[in-house]
Amino acid sequence: GAGVSQSPRYKVAKRGQDVALRCDPISGHVSLFWYQQALGQGPEFLTYFQNEAQLDKSGLPSDRFFAERPEGSVSTLKIQRTQQEDSAVYLCASSPPSGRWTDTQYFGPGTRLTVL
Amino acid sequence: QKEVEQNSGPLSVPEGAIASLNCTYSDRGSQSFFWYRQYSGKSPELIMSIYSNGDKEDGRFTAQLNKASQYVSLLIRDSQPSDSATYLCAVLFGNEKLTFGTGTRLTIIP
Repeated sequence: GAGVSQSPRYKVAKRGQDVALRCDPISGHVSLFWYQQALGQGPEFLTYFQNEAQLDKSGLPSDRFFAERPEGSVSTLKIQRTQQEDSAVYLCASSPPSGRWTDTQYFGPGTRLTVL
Repeated sequence: QKEVEQNSGPLSVPEGAIASLNCTYSDRGSQSFFWYRQYSGKSPELIMSIYSNGDKEDGRFTAQLNKASQYVSLLIRDSQPSDSATYLCAVLFGNEKLTFGTGTRLTIIP
């Protein structure tokens, strides 16, 4: 079946612009995670949804970052007034219905954001 | 501060040899440990998970966990050029978010 998909795959924004990154999880997956991966680093947790509920947003670096999953499937990560330090690959992952952290997380291909 | 430490490499291993990747973590109470493989420009892919002290084998891969030493390793036997990638160690601290190390870049030399 289809895996996690993300769009756009690449995004170039001018400093100060707002961007929206989309994630389509695997059908039926309850849990959805957003990570930020800077060049040469491991993924850093941003936020976690179980169905439509955002259970943990402790990793969001500032109030310019906002995520939603209104119907418990597709999720959008929005970054307002982008800064150069926001340049990174944004990864989305989903995991199966039990919703436990120990479940395998399946990653999407990521969106590479470049802020000029 | 929950931390996961890995040697960033690069680690070069001849084809057919054993590649050994190491990871240490800061929280003695951690219970769940994962190894992800990430090819350049691609997303992470889970290759092994381990929860108990000792060894866990899956094909050419063996994960080793020593909770007393707060140490987890991944061995790759009969290394192939297709194993060349960055290997990310990830630790689940309590019931919270997954914390990744910076990854070790592995190159298998034909």
